[in-house]
Amino acid sequence: AQTVTQSQPEMSVQEAETVTLSCTYDTSENNYYLFWYKQPPSRQMILVIRQEAYKQQNATENRFSVNFQKAAKSFSLKISDSQLGDTAMYFCAFMLGGGADGLTFGKGTHLIIQP
Amino acid sequence: DAGVIQSPRHEVTEMGQEVTLRCKPISGHDYLFWYRQTMMRGLELLIYFNNNVPIDDSGMPEDRFSAKMPNASFSTLKIQPSEPRDSAVYFCASTNRPTGAFFGQGTRLTVV
Repeated sequence: AQTVTQSQPEMSVQEAETVTLSCTYDTSENNYYLFWYKQPPSRQMILVIRQEAYKQQNATENRFSVNFQKAAKSFSLKISDSQLGDTAMYFCAFMLGGGADGLTFGKGTHLIIQP
Repeated sequence: DAGVIQSPRHEVTEMGQEVTLRCKPISGHDYLFWYRQTMMRGLELLIYFNNNVPIDDSGMPEDRFSAKMPNASFSTLKIQPSEPRDSAVYFCASTNRPTGAFFGQGTRLTVV
């Protein structure tokens, strides 16, 4: 079974700063996908960014980027120029390429952006 | 596409009553997942379907929980009888894998 670990239960930064959220995972498979989800107080789960394991290039979506280190099984999320609306729970998630076992989530990191 | 649609958004019921949660996945997605979210246990996968067929229900906590997917556009999660410890937010999500799973807005269930 796959596991996902987020070691930072909570983080707080000032608006406009850059923040990095950590995620590590464990799997013996080679074909998989990694995701970051954002859950604001509205509780909606919002897909922020995704990474295919076979791609070496790190994914980027506007202010959000990842640092994918496959050998180290690390998948961190960097948020640049943080905004108040970025305040939310952030979940790292893993999915096998065949879809089996569904999405496995970490426990989440509560990110607070201070004005 | 309107995204994954769940109903109801909120449900308050008395212990012992039957509860049915509904989900309409995104058209064309071949996987459908039911998750439960609580403060204590985080996001738990209850069951998932592939092409309408249940693949893994090992996350269903008890026999009181059942799920069906009669066609590609509809799924239900039923709890009978409900208990206070079933209170949680229940999410439905669908995916065709490469794009990631897309979630509905969830159903907040309160059993009193």
